[in-house]
Amino acid sequence: DVKVTQSSRYLVKRTGEKVFLECVQDMDHENMFWYRQDPGLGLRLIYFSYDVKMKEKGDIPEGYSVSREKKERFSLILESASTNQTSMYLCASSLQGWDYGYTFGSGTRLTVV
Amino acid sequence: GIQVEQSPPDLILQEGANSTLRCNFSDSVNNLQWFHQNPWGQLINLFYIPSGTKQNGRLSATTVATERYSLLYISSSQTTDSGVYFCAATVGGKLTFGTGTRLQVTL
Repeated sequence: DVKVTQSSRYLVKRTGEKVFLECVQDMDHENMFWYRQDPGLGLRLIYFSYDVKMKEKGDIPEGYSVSREKKERFSLILESASTNQTSMYLCASSLQGWDYGYTFGSGTRLTVV
Repeated sequence: GIQVEQSPPDLILQEGANSTLRCNFSDSVNNLQWFHQNPWGQLINLFYIPSGTKQNGRLSATTVATERYSLLYISSSQTTDSGVYFCAATVGGKLTFGTGTRLQVTL
């Protein structure tokens, strides 16, 4: 089974802190994605990556950046955390192409106080 | 970008009942997926189905791409089916989610 592992299940950070959310997949998938999930808004794409050192903005990239130095690892960075970034963050991976399903991690619930 | 709408937003069923969840999408898509999010937040891929019909046990899905909708059927529902069901459309490699149908199955 493909595994997508997110480093923290729950995280509490202070406003203004720099926050790193880590995601690791173990099946050599090319594509990796970061979503945030908020009540009533569903899942929204923040950033995605098709390959090492490649990144593309999703629908809501403002306030976030990403890093993909190795194929298996995709990091989401909140440069200066704000309370409106309190959310559930979900990482996913998939093989290249349209015909493959996505595998999601268990999520990180981030609270910014 | 593409719009993905799901109905109904909420559904309460008694165990053993059948249900149909609907997903409408606003444009042509490369793929269409259905996910189940369990009460612990884990998203599980149920189907990826750009067109046609697929079945997996008590679940089946049908996508009519020309009319831009997909249906998820749940038969003989069980309490473990509770959670949120999302459909998501792939366009240009990006997956766009609907806002989900929250299903509660009661004894």
